[in-house]
Amino acid sequence: DVKVTQSSRYLVKRTGEKVFLECVQDMDHENMFWYRQDPGLGLRLIYFSYDVKMKEKGDIPEGYSVSREKKERFSLILESASTNQTSMYLCASSTQGPTNTEAFFGQGTRLTVV
Amino acid sequence: KNQVEQSPQSLIILEGKNCTLQCNYTVSPFSNLRWYKQDTGRGPVSLTIMTFSENTKSNGRYTATLDADTKQSSLHITASQLSDSASYICVVSADDYKLSFGAGTTVTVRA
Repeated sequence: DVKVTQSSRYLVKRTGEKVFLECVQDMDHENMFWYRQDPGLGLRLIYFSYDVKMKEKGDIPEGYSVSREKKERFSLILESASTNQTSMYLCASSTQGPTNTEAFFGQGTRLTVV
Repeated sequence: KNQVEQSPQSLIILEGKNCTLQCNYTVSPFSNLRWYKQDTGRGPVSLTIMTFSENTKSNGRYTATLDADTKQSSLHITASQLSDSASYICVVSADDYKLSFGAGTTVTVRA
């Protein structure tokens, strides 16, 4: 059974804190993604990575950074958390090749910044 | 800008009834369209995928259609069950790594 695992289901952090969201996949996928999901806006791409140590900005990278030191792990970092980063964060992975490959999602991390 | 619009935003149906969800997109070039189901508090899970040449695809009680000329897709749920209560997301893929997501339709099935 394929698996994308996010380290936390729920997280509460204070404004200004540095926050790490971890994602691990066990499918040997090359591509990994971080999205945030807000009501009425759908999923928006923050960053993605197509190989170890490679990263590309998505549509809303401001205030975030990422790290991919190992193929199976993709970390999202909030350098200085702000209340407008309160959201559901979803990690996904997929194989490379034709884009009709399926993206597999983690269960999500609901982050609240107070 | 690539966009995916879904309607309605939400709907409530009685158990056993049918419903249809709509998806309009402007993504170009077009590679494929997927419908995902997202249960509350969970990540999305793929239901169906359609490429340019396919106009209908079924997965159990779920049937998706695609009209690539008008850039419209629909997801039909037959004989709804309580477990169908979820958010349904239309996802369109262009010829790159990026996916364009609709905002989703929240379906509530009542007994």
